[in-house]
Amino acid sequence: GAVVSQHPSRVICKSGTSVKIECRSLDFQATTMFWYRQFPKQSLMLMATSNEGSKATYEQGVEKDKFLINHASLTLSTLTVTSAHPEDSSFYICSASRQKYTEAFFGQGTRLTVV
Amino acid sequence: GQQVMQIPQYQHVQEGEDFTTYCNSSTTLSNIQWYKQRPGGHPVFLIQLVKSGEVKKQKRLTFQFGEAKKNSSLHITATQTTDVGTYFCAGPGVDSSYKLIFGSGTRLLVRP
Repeated sequence: GAVVSQHPSRVICKSGTSVKIECRSLDFQATTMFWYRQFPKQSLMLMATSNEGSKATYEQGVEKDKFLINHASLTLSTLTVTSAHPEDSSFYICSASRQKYTEAFFGQGTRLTVV
Repeated sequence: GQQVMQIPQYQHVQEGEDFTTYCNSSTTLSNIQWYKQRPGGHPVFLIQLVKSGEVKKQKRLTFQFGEAKKNSSLHITATQTTDVGTYFCAGPGVDSSYKLIFGSGTRLLVRP
């Protein structure tokens, strides 16, 4: 079964609204989780590292005020796309590992469409 | 910055033909991982290589890690339609964080 669960799998929202995506590790505690964005037929672009109990670490070029990350517990990280615009439409996916440098488990991904 | 590139970007083969994707890192890697993403799905871990020159096999899949630990390859023998998907290599970030840097991916299509 799934080790990392992501919700929702699909969401359509209106421009200007905010959308929250949840990522849960189901059978292990994850002090660190990762958020990626993937455009059609392209690779996974790391957006940020979500750190439990502290601020997320954002990759260069990713707007931290636009993509709010909260990692309030050892099993849950959330990504909120604020004031969404059509250009934010994409596939967002999270991952977590049991230990550093080991297999990454991915959530099912969230397909966001902003209309 | 750290980069991980893969070639080819795309390959279309006849079922039964072999397939190889090559992964090259701009930096030396402590390990390399391979993932497969089916169309519409999420990446799924295939294998991790750690040692210089390491070769691992999983049924029809053969994975290699270069001697310099900067390149890797995945070879599929006698492809099947179930092999369709995008294959990504990934290596740890050089800043010693948990993060993985993914390669550009190779998309495999198999004609039945």
